[in-house]
Amino acid sequence: RKEVEQDPGPFNVPEGATVAFNCTYSNSASQSFFWYRQDCRKEPKLLMSVYSSGNEDGRFTAQLNRASQYISLLIRDSKLSDSATYLCVVISDSWGKLQFGAGTQVVVTP
Amino acid sequence: DVKVTQSSRYLVKRTGEKVFLECVQDMDHENMFWYRQDPGLGLRLIYFSYDVKMKEKGDIPEGYSVSREKKERFSLILESASTNQTSMYLCASRLTGIAYNEQFFGPGTRLTVL
Repeated sequence: RKEVEQDPGPFNVPEGATVAFNCTYSNSASQSFFWYRQDCRKEPKLLMSVYSSGNEDGRFTAQLNRASQYISLLIRDSKLSDSATYLCVVISDSWGKLQFGAGTQVVVTP
Repeated sequence: DVKVTQSSRYLVKRTGEKVFLECVQDMDHENMFWYRQDPGLGLRLIYFSYDVKMKEKGDIPEGYSVSREKKERFSLILESASTNQTSMYLCASRLTGIAYNEQFFGPGTRLTVL
């Protein structure tokens, strides 16, 4: 079983709509969580950290559910520029090594 | 501006060749990482280095070695390239600290082994 699992999508979203997707992780001792964004043929870049109480950054909201071992990302008022692959990242060890999910593709259409 | 550079964007090598992938960061980061990214598998950690001269195996180190002689440079070596090492290779760096800081990635090297 993979340590971090994501629905690969694609999630096809009309411009202006809301989209949400989850990521599950297998290690209950995981301590840090992030969402990275990767545009086509580009390198991943940090989108946001995920805090226990949940957090927002503009149109993006991240949630953590430790009991069910998943994190979520919600994008409101989707823009064409939000089209990308969103990578779920979990840190579970003292070295701080990142474990990546395979990514969820989001396609925002006009 | 933060910068991680990789020596090549595209590379084509033959089976059995020794391959060097170079990564340089200008942010004075202690930690550096090498990943490979394959469709459906995501990024997988090959090796990482927490400081100069230090190296640790990641999840898939077989067939690879690394070198970190200077803080800004982290090299990935394929001793004898094989076709199953055809992949996108991404280097990253990170500032060490109490909190887990953001990793900054280079643009990647797409390696094809024929």
